[in-house]
Amino acid sequence: TQLLEQSPQFLSIQEGENLTVYCNSSSVFSSLQWYRQEPGEGPVLLVTVVTGGEVKKLKRLTFQFGDARKDSSLHITAAQTGDTGLYLCAGLSGGADGLTFGKGTHLIIQP
Amino acid sequence: KAGVTQTPRYLIKTRGQQVTLSCSPISGHRSVSWYQQTPGQGLQFLFEYFSETQRNKGNFPGRFSGRQFSNSRSEMNVSTLELGDSALYLCASSFSSSSGTGELFFGEGSRLTVL
Repeated sequence: TQLLEQSPQFLSIQEGENLTVYCNSSSVFSSLQWYRQEPGEGPVLLVTVVTGGEVKKLKRLTFQFGDARKDSSLHITAAQTGDTGLYLCAGLSGGADGLTFGKGTHLIIQP
Repeated sequence: KAGVTQTPRYLIKTRGQQVTLSCSPISGHRSVSWYQQTPGQGLQFLFEYFSETQRNKGNFPGRFSGRQFSNSRSEMNVSTLELGDSALYLCASSFSSSSGTGELFFGEGSRLTVL
């Protein structure tokens, strides 16, 4: 069973601060996705990274896929209250198990 | 276009009962995946259907089953409910099978409480 460990599990910071959350595994993934889930809703895809070392930017969010395709990070610059939510990483190995999700990072941005 | 629709949104059952949840994917999407989300275990993959065939299955007991109809709508059934089955059940649709890198579009989920 492939596992994705996300850290930190919980993070509460003030608006305007920067933060980084991590997604780590001992397994190699062919691609990795990041989702954000808000209360009462399903997860929404933010980005997919495919190539080792790849960096993608989505406004104030920067996503990086590790060189060995085993880990990823999400960096948020100048966090806003609207960034509050559960951030999930999900890896695809190409096997028969579908996407493997981490347990997520609960992010709270306080005004 | 309309998103993924899951019904019912909330339901309460008692131990031993069975439940059927429904999912209507985005028009044109042929793949439907089901996930169970709990605070302790996070999102866990149940199964995926593509063109009415089960393509992948997660590590859940046989009490959990599903099917997909010719119009791509899907249902999942849980029989002999246990307290531990209380969870948010999420359905996700995609154009292609999850073995690709396609985006998953999730519904809002069905929150099941087992008493």
